[in-house]
Amino acid sequence: AQRVTQPEKLLSVFKGAPVELKCNYSYSGSPELFWYVQYSRQRLQLLLRHISRESIKGFTADLNKGETSFHLKKPFAQEEDSAMYYCALRGGSNQGGKLIFGQGTELSVKP
Amino acid sequence: KAGVTQTPRYLIKTRGQQVTLSCSPISGHRSVSWYQQTPGQGLQFLFEYFSETQRNKGNFPGRFSGRQFSNSRSEMNVSTLELGDSALYLCASSGMGGSYNEQFFGPGTRLTVL
Repeated sequence: AQRVTQPEKLLSVFKGAPVELKCNYSYSGSPELFWYVQYSRQRLQLLLRHISRESIKGFTADLNKGETSFHLKKPFAQEEDSAMYYCALRGGSNQGGKLIFGQGTELSVKP
Repeated sequence: KAGVTQTPRYLIKTRGQQVTLSCSPISGHRSVSWYQQTPGQGLQFLFEYFSETQRNKGNFPGRFSGRQFSNSRSEMNVSTLELGDSALYLCASSGMGGSYNEQFFGPGTRLTVL
């Protein structure tokens, strides 16, 4: 079964501290992994995807197939990073727009 | 480019009624997906339409249905509403280009069933 697990509902850090939002997945094939973010009173939007291997707003995420993880990291958190973060999986391009989401982690960055 | 729009934004219904929600995708996008978001279950995939055909379907009862029109606008319908159908319903559209067809989400329709 396809499943995405985000073990932390809330993660609170101080500004300037490193951040790691955990994401583990269950999928038998080769999935595509994404991180979506929802800032207060804004729409859900794509933050980054594993295939791009890029850094967006200082965030990076590496797909670890051995540990079936796709953790989101940022070395120095900023107050504007406070938001809900969702890890999502798509089981291949034949799945079209079907995304399996984790429960989300609320990141709170304190001054 | 205008973003994904959803109407209405808020809706209050009573048990047993039916409801229709509408989603207008970004111009040029041909895929529309629907999600239900609740505090308990999180974001759950309902279905996806592409070129007026249902391409993928989640694990929801038959009371949940949808359709897509030739202009790519999509509607979803929930019949015989139950209290548990109270949720935020999100739609997302994506285009044809690129390998990973980024999905763009709408603001959602908040449905309350009394």
